[in-house]
Amino acid sequence: SQKIEQNSEALNIQEGKTATLTCNYTNYSPAYLQWYRQDPGRGPVFLLLIRENEKEKRKERLKVTFDTTLKQSLFHITASQPADSATYLCALPLQALSGYALNFGKGTSLLVTP
Amino acid sequence: EAQVTQNPRYLITVTGKKLTVTCSQNMNHEYMSWYRQDPGLGLRQIYYSMNVEVTDKGDVPEGYKVSRKEKRNFPLILESPSPNQTSLYFCASGLAGSYEQYFGPGTRLTVT
Repeated sequence: SQKIEQNSEALNIQEGKTATLTCNYTNYSPAYLQWYRQDPGRGPVFLLLIRENEKEKRKERLKVTFDTTLKQSLFHITASQPADSATYLCALPLQALSGYALNFGKGTSLLVTP
Repeated sequence: EAQVTQNPRYLITVTGKKLTVTCSQNMNHEYMSWYRQDPGLGLRQIYYSMNVEVTDKGDVPEGYKVSRKEKRNFPLILESPSPNQTSLYFCASGLAGSYEQYFGPGTRLTVT
């Protein structure tokens, strides 16, 4: 069965450093992969989508890489700030005749300390 | 303002009493979906809909029903709620071709 794995342990880093989060998957052949941010008690917020033919994508201080051979995506936040503290989720589509389902990893909690 | 709204935001109910959680979006999105989020289990998809009258099961559809009679609305129905359906529920919507999803604020359901 399909599996999406993200570091279950929280990641604690100092303000200004680069945070790197990992998403590994098995039994998927995804056309794309997404990253979302979730704050406690709130709905996830879309951050970035990277397609299978893209190795890297950037948006402001965010960078995502996608290695379909390793079946892994890395999510980087450069010059991290306390406001970046949140849980980050990766998501993969599962294509079906009727459309697509979207499966999420359990997320990695990031804490950026001043 | 472009948004996904859910009602109610909080609900405490008893086992077996039918309930409906409404979801509405004003962005003309084709795709709508329901998720539940539980500690240690993450966000799991219940049902999704690619368009009006087109729905399909996600990972955890048992005990839930949905309908998509209008593009903007996607209600989640629990015909006979049980305590294991106590959870935080999110509705989401998106354009069919863009894949990114916009989430509602969540409905916290407690079934006693």
